[in-house]
Amino acid sequence: DQQVKQNSPSLSVQEGRISILNCDYTNSMFDYFLWYKKYPAEGPTFLISISSIKDKNEDGRFTVFLNKSAKHLSLHIVPSQPGDSAVYFCAATSGTYKYIFGTGTRLKVLA
Amino acid sequence: DAGVIQSPRHEVTEMGQEVTLRCKPISGHNSLFWYRQTMMRGLELLIYFNNNVPIDDSGMPEDRFSAKMPNASFSTLKIQPSEPRDSAVYFCASSLYRGVNSPLHFGNGTRLTVT
Repeated sequence: DQQVKQNSPSLSVQEGRISILNCDYTNSMFDYFLWYKKYPAEGPTFLISISSIKDKNEDGRFTVFLNKSAKHLSLHIVPSQPGDSAVYFCAATSGTYKYIFGTGTRLKVLA
Repeated sequence: DAGVIQSPRHEVTEMGQEVTLRCKPISGHNSLFWYRQTMMRGLELLIYFNNNVPIDDSGMPEDRFSAKMPNASFSTLKIQPSEPRDSAVYFCASSLYRGVNSPLHFGNGTRLTVT
């Protein structure tokens, strides 16, 4: 049973446009959500997080939105740059050490 | 800081052989995790240590898998005997867990191929 789902395995976006990556979860106990970026042959690196008490968190070009009623979060990258091309994982936890990861979305930003 | 260091980066072995993966967490971090990444299942937690003590090994797939953390700066994940279905990328991650959420810091992984 996948508690964290990223239903789009891949996404292509033109440079300068907005990239929107989506993530759905099923466990209503999750209260902290993270996005990680992964380049080939490297480990995932932490990008941005959001607590369930918020519905939006911004860091530069990256914004994460949380819709608790829909059990949905999204990562917006504006403007998208070629260096953003990577696999993006969302993860969730219910206040413990256990982070549940999605299967990832491969983003390709076209120059 | 050098980050989480894993070795080897690549391991190719034959079925039935013992495989040992190594990890050095970030200094000062009190939590260490071993994850396995596959295409089908994404990133799965295998085992979690806190202050060098194994807290949750429910993700370890079989008795063929074992993990140790003899001190705060070193951990191993051993597979004995290895099987082709163990082929995956294995990540070690560490964090400073103080009762509140904190992001995990991952190493660059070990790509294991069992033939």
